[in-house]
Amino acid sequence: GQQLNQSPQSMFIQEGEDVSMNCTSSSIFNTWLWYKQDPGEGPVLLIALYKAGELTSNGRLTAQFGITRKDSFLNISASIPSDVGIYFCAGRGGATNKLIFGTGTLLAVQP
Amino acid sequence: SAVISQKPSRDICQRGTSLTIQCQVDSQVTMMFWYRQQPGQSLTLIATANQGSEATYESGFVIDKFPISRPNLTFSTLTVSNMSPEDSSIYLCSVEDLRRGGNQPQHFGDGTRLSIL
Repeated sequence: GQQLNQSPQSMFIQEGEDVSMNCTSSSIFNTWLWYKQDPGEGPVLLIALYKAGELTSNGRLTAQFGITRKDSFLNISASIPSDVGIYFCAGRGGATNKLIFGTGTLLAVQP
Repeated sequence: SAVISQKPSRDICQRGTSLTIQCQVDSQVTMMFWYRQQPGQSLTLIATANQGSEATYESGFVIDKFPISRPNLTFSTLTVSNMSPEDSSIYLCSVEDLRRGGNQPQHFGDGTRLSIL
């Protein structure tokens, strides 16, 4: 099925570093969602974005809905070991309004 | 958000058999969905479970292979039929409650990890 382009595919960083990941689409979306998936669990919603240009924070996480409505980014500041996991973007828009998932970013944090 | 429980959490099955996965939500929700997550991959929508009518399947997924039931607003099942090793995946239930407004996020259960020998 259709997937969003998400980058980077993986990141290996030191504790305390900031992280940035993004998703791009060829289609216009009216919703962008960011999820985190830990091993053995389902994706957990981190941030939901509903308006172009919207910038939303959740603790150390900040996400933005791109002005073109075709992209979104997620920043994590001052990373900690528990930030380890796979981060997925997901977008929704168009006639079907289905949720389409990005390919995921694997984040590893070295203490 | 709603609490979503999936059973079983994992199973190992013989090829050619079928397994039914249950998804129970602690509150009524308008929309329920089933996804597949193959090893190391992203999530792919299998179908939308419609209450009181047949599920709406995505391209590449058919009712004979993945029959779905949704008898009420809090419960759905997904059956993986005539399983083969290629069906080894995580199967995830998600919900969305449109009664809260037109634009709502989806929330996921913890998934069912299925391995077929």
